[in-house]
Amino acid sequence: GQNIDQPTEMTATEGAIVQINCTYQTSGFNGLFWYQQHAGEAPTFLSYNVLDGLEEKGRFSSFLSRSKGYSYLLLKELQMKDSASYLCAVSTDTGFQKLVFGTGTRLLVSP
Amino acid sequence: EPEVTQTPSHQVTQMGQEVILRCVPISNHLYFYWYRQILGQKVEFLVSFYNNEISEKSEIFDDQFSVERPDGSNFTLKIRSTKLEDSAMYFCASSDFGKREVTGELFFGEGSRLTVL
Repeated sequence: GQNIDQPTEMTATEGAIVQINCTYQTSGFNGLFWYQQHAGEAPTFLSYNVLDGLEEKGRFSSFLSRSKGYSYLLLKELQMKDSASYLCAVSTDTGFQKLVFGTGTRLLVSP
Repeated sequence: EPEVTQTPSHQVTQMGQEVILRCVPISNHLYFYWYRQILGQKVEFLVSFYNNEISEKSEIFDDQFSVERPDGSNFTLKIRSTKLEDSAMYFCASSDFGKREVTGELFFGEGSRLTVL
């Protein structure tokens, strides 16, 4: 089966750093994606990891450990507009044919 | 910036009726997808489409569902006889995987909210 786990909800204050964890157990692995989804809107791509290590992209970084089935998304210098759901998704085959999504972590950033 | 567009943004239908959701993927993309998200739940894969045929489909995508690329730009999802449990947000997505092999990220449309009464 496919299992992707994330915390349901997190809160943080403006200017802070937050780390959103994701653990996965899937039948195949061809990369892990993080998407941001504001309420009522479409998911938008944030990051992609296929090799172990950290990928940095401005205020956002994503880490992957394939041996541990673990990833995290790190958000720095939080802004109010970062309040959204963050979706961890695994590509399970080599053709990027299908993403398996976690339930998402709702992040609330307060002043 | 190129984007995936979907119509309608919201459709209300009676149980048992046929529904067609339309999508215009990004023009130079080769892979097309439908995902759905029931309110408060996770995004779920329905089907992927490449080279004018279905390349993979999930258990959700049963005989009531079909997809079509009727011309060079549109990509449609048809639900033949809607059920209450088909109520969800349906997202179309496209990808340029094959041209940019590094990420294969999906570009999602804004979604079509389907309400079945």
